[in-house]
Amino acid sequence: AQSVSQHNHHVILSEAASLELGCNYSYGGTVNLFWYVQYPGQHLQLLLKYFSGDPLVKGIKGFEAEFIKSKFSFNLRKPSVQWSDTAEYFCATYSSNTGKLIFGQGTTLQVKP
Amino acid sequence: EAGVAQSPRYKIIEKRQSVAFWCNPISGHATLYWYQQILGQGPKLLIQFQNNGVVDDSQLPKDRFSAERLKGVDSTLKIQPAKLEDSAVYLCASSSSRTGDTEAFFGQGTRLTVV
Repeated sequence: AQSVSQHNHHVILSEAASLELGCNYSYGGTVNLFWYVQYPGQHLQLLLKYFSGDPLVKGIKGFEAEFIKSKFSFNLRKPSVQWSDTAEYFCATYSSNTGKLIFGQGTTLQVKP
Repeated sequence: EAGVAQSPRYKIIEKRQSVAFWCNPISGHATLYWYQQILGQGPKLLIQFQNNGVVDDSQLPKDRFSAERLKGVDSTLKIQPAKLEDSAVYLCASSSSRTGDTEAFFGQGTRLTVV
């Protein structure tokens, strides 16, 4: 069955620390991959997406993610986090086999100033 | 470009009562989703429409939940009767793709509390 797994449920970092959030997905034919972010009190919005091509994708606000097909992973990274990055982060996949957009359970990131 | 509109933003009802949520997707978007997000969890897909047809509703508790998308535009999600475990944020999203394989745009959600 189509699934997405996020490894970290709650991450606490100090400003300027580096960030890596893990995401693994199950195989499902052609897979499109997304990272969404939900800032406190706001709606879900897209950080970045991967459909094909260069496996290293860059998104908004200095975020990037790397698609590693052999590991079924799509980890999110940022070299230096800011207090304003405090939010909940969701990995999601669209599978051509199921036609569904499925989300992971989310990771809460707290950045201490 | 106007975003996805949802109403109401908040709703408190007693168990066994009924409730309805409304969603107006981005104009021209063919695919519409309803998700349920329980506190501390990721969004769970309840139902997916392509235009006014249902693509997937395998996770929709059909004994109490129903949804429709008349004329392939607005959509309503209804719960009747509500249970305590239905307390959650109900998210509506839309996508321009007919198959849903592009970015989904989300509304602010409706926070439902069942007491």
